[in-house]
Amino acid sequence: AQSVTQLDSQVPVFEEAPVELRCNYSSSVSVYLFWYVQYPNQGLQLLLKYLSGSTLVESINGFEAEFNKSQTSFHLRKPSVHISDTAEYFCAVSEGGGGSNYKLTFGKGTLLTVNP
Amino acid sequence: NAGVTQTPKFRVLKTGQSMTLLCAQDMNHEYMYWYRQDPGMGLRLIHYSVGEGTTAKGEVPDGYNVSRLKKQNFLLGLESAAPSQTSVYFCASSYSIGGPNSYEQYFGPGTRLTVT
Repeated sequence: AQSVTQLDSQVPVFEEAPVELRCNYSSSVSVYLFWYVQYPNQGLQLLLKYLSGSTLVESINGFEAEFNKSQTSFHLRKPSVHISDTAEYFCAVSEGGGGSNYKLTFGKGTLLTVNP
Repeated sequence: NAGVTQTPKFRVLKTGQSMTLLCAQDMNHEYMYWYRQDPGMGLRLIHYSVGEGTTAKGEVPDGYNVSRLKKQNFLLGLESAAPSQTSVYFCASSYSIGGPNSYEQYFGPGTRLTVT
C-alpha cells in the first residue's frame, strides 16, 4: 500500500523568503505525484503534478517540485513567497501503470503561513 | 461551467439523524469521489465511483452509503449520524484513465457537517 508523509505540519515564513515543503512517499510500484493547495474555506486545487519525463515540474505561480526516485521524495519549493501563498498544501500519490491508479492517497497537509 | 458543486454548504445534525449530501459535476467526468477532511488527518477517501451505477469502498467507508444513479451526480448518505462524523466533506471528480488530464481530480467547495 502506498503512503505519503509530509514532514512539517506548519511552516511559518516571512514574505519574500524561500520555502520548502517536504513530502516523502512509499510505494512498491511506480507512482504519479501531485501537490494540491487549499486556500481558506475552499476546496483543493491542483498546483502541479509529476507523471513522467522531466523530474522537475513547475506551476504557473512560481512553485516547483522535483521527483527524486532514490529518496522517494517530491519536495515543493518557491524561491520567494507572497502573502497570498498562505494556504494548506497537500502532497498526494497514485500508483501509476494501471490498476487503481485513479485513486489518490493524501498526506496530512502542511500549513504555510506567510507573514509580512 | 460550474465545475463541481456540493449541497448543502453547512449542516448541523443531531446524533441518529440521517441526511444526504449531493455532489454534481458538469464536466462529463467518469470518476467521482467522496472524501472527509479532519484536522491533522489530511483527506481520506470514503467511497468512489468509476461510472454511472457503480460504487466502491474507500479507506473509511463505515457509516456511509453512496449512489451514482446519474453520471453527473454522486450522493453521500449518513443513515444514523454520529459525532465522529463531524467533518468537512469534499466531493471530487476526474476523467477516466487515458483521457485528457486523467489524473487530475477537481474538487468541490466542501460541506461542513457538525453532529451534536
